[in-house]
Amino acid sequence: DGGITQSPKYLFRKEGQNVTLSCEQNLNHDAMYWYRQDPGQGLRLIYYSQIVNDFQKGDIAEGYSVSREKKESFPLTVTSAQKNPTAFYLCASSLGQGTGELFFGEGSRLTVL
Amino acid sequence: RKEVEQDPGPFNVPEGATVAFNCTYSNSASQSFFWYRQDCRKEPKLLMSVYSSGNEDGRFTAQLNRASQYISLLIRDSKLSDSATYLCVGLSGGYNKLIFGAGTRLAVHP
Repeated sequence: DGGITQSPKYLFRKEGQNVTLSCEQNLNHDAMYWYRQDPGQGLRLIYYSQIVNDFQKGDIAEGYSVSREKKESFPLTVTSAQKNPTAFYLCASSLGQGTGELFFGEGSRLTVL
Repeated sequence: RKEVEQDPGPFNVPEGATVAFNCTYSNSASQSFFWYRQDCRKEPKLLMSVYSSGNEDGRFTAQLNRASQYISLLIRDSKLSDSATYLCVGLSGGYNKLIFGAGTRLAVHP
């Protein structure tokens, strides 16, 4: 079955540590995205990538970094510079940017202790 | 003003009821619209697109009113399984990105 796989599902981190969230898709989609979801707020775009080796900052990129070395993979690193990293992180993909249909992974819940 | 605004709810309705949610949007999120469904602690999934002429998918009807800048979702004959959060989403034409509302929570009870 095609889909998006995120790992880990749950992650605990101490303050000051970097952590990398994995996102892999086998849908052959060109575009991939990282969103953050906080209670009472809509999903906010962190980074997105339309093609391999290219990515752009979203609305809240500060304290995050990404890479897109392979079409299937779009890992997100939450760095120690991110002031409030505890959140639910969602990776998504779509055939191309500008489409309304995103396919999401099951999410990674990060808690900073 | 938020680009896409929704009443957070919760809307508590009995099985079989008809329930409607509205969502208002600003000009920046006005190219196309969608409704997503998100179950508790799960990922969002596309429920339906919203067409200018209105569209129906089984028990679900979506409407777009550009003059008043709102989108609606009507659910008829509510089922227990409809309990979820419904996210209103606009596609920003200028930036070609999706803008998500915070969601409206629906709880259907027996």
